[in-house]
Amino acid sequence: DGGITQSPKYLFRKEGQNVTLSCEQNLNHDAMYWYRQDPGQGLRLIYYSQIVNDFQKGDIAEGYSVSREKKESFPLTVTSAQKNPTAFYLCASSIDLVSGLNQPQHFGDGTRLSIL
Amino acid sequence: GQQLNQSPQSMFIQEGEDVSMNCTSSSIFNTWLWYKQDPGEGPVLLIALYKAGELTSNGRLTAQFGITRKDSFLNISASIPSDVGIYFCAGSKTSYDKVIFGPGTSLSVIP
Repeated sequence: DGGITQSPKYLFRKEGQNVTLSCEQNLNHDAMYWYRQDPGQGLRLIYYSQIVNDFQKGDIAEGYSVSREKKESFPLTVTSAQKNPTAFYLCASSIDLVSGLNQPQHFGDGTRLSIL
Repeated sequence: GQQLNQSPQSMFIQEGEDVSMNCTSSSIFNTWLWYKQDPGEGPVLLIALYKAGELTSNGRLTAQFGITRKDSFLNISASIPSDVGIYFCAGSKTSYDKVIFGPGTSLSVIP
C-alpha cells in the first residue's frame, strides 16, 4: 500500500545532540512537509519542499534543518539550537505543486521526540 | 499572525448523538479543510471545501464553508465509538498560501 513512513516512532535526545527524523513516501507526491504538534495546539509548519533539491522555511524553522535529495525522502534534523524540541513531529505530502501548500493530503504516523 | 479558533475545545457525547463543531478565522479564507487524528497517529483528511456556502458530505460527516468565508462547520450524525479523536480544521487564504491549523476539538463518545 502507498503511504508515508516515519521513523523512529519514539526518539530520545540528549542535551546538545542533533537527531534526524526520517520520512519516506511512495505516493509519488511532489510536495512534502514537516509539522510540529504540541498539546492543545494546532500543527505548525517547520519546513516544506515542493520539488527535489528545493525547500522553504515554514513558521518555526529555527533550530531545524532539512534536505530533499530524493523525491521520496524528506528527513528533518533537530539541531542542538532547538531549545525546546520535545514534541510530536508529523511529516505530510501532497500530490502536486498547485495543491501543495493548500492541502497536505497524507500524513505519517509521527515521531515523538523527548529530551533525556 | 493568523489564527483559527475551534469550538468547543472538547466534548463528551453519548453514542448515537449528533455532533456539531465549528472553526472561525479573523481573515477570509478560500479553502477549508477538516482532519481527524486518532491517538498516536497522523491526521487524516476528511473533507475539503473550496467555495463559500459549499456543503460536502463524507459518510456521516458533513462540512460547510461559511458564507462569510470566515468560518466552517463540521457535523457528525449518529456518532459511534470510532469517532473518538481530535478534529482539526485548517484553512488557507489563497491556493498558494500555506495551510493554517486550528487547535482542534477533542471528541469522546460514551458507549
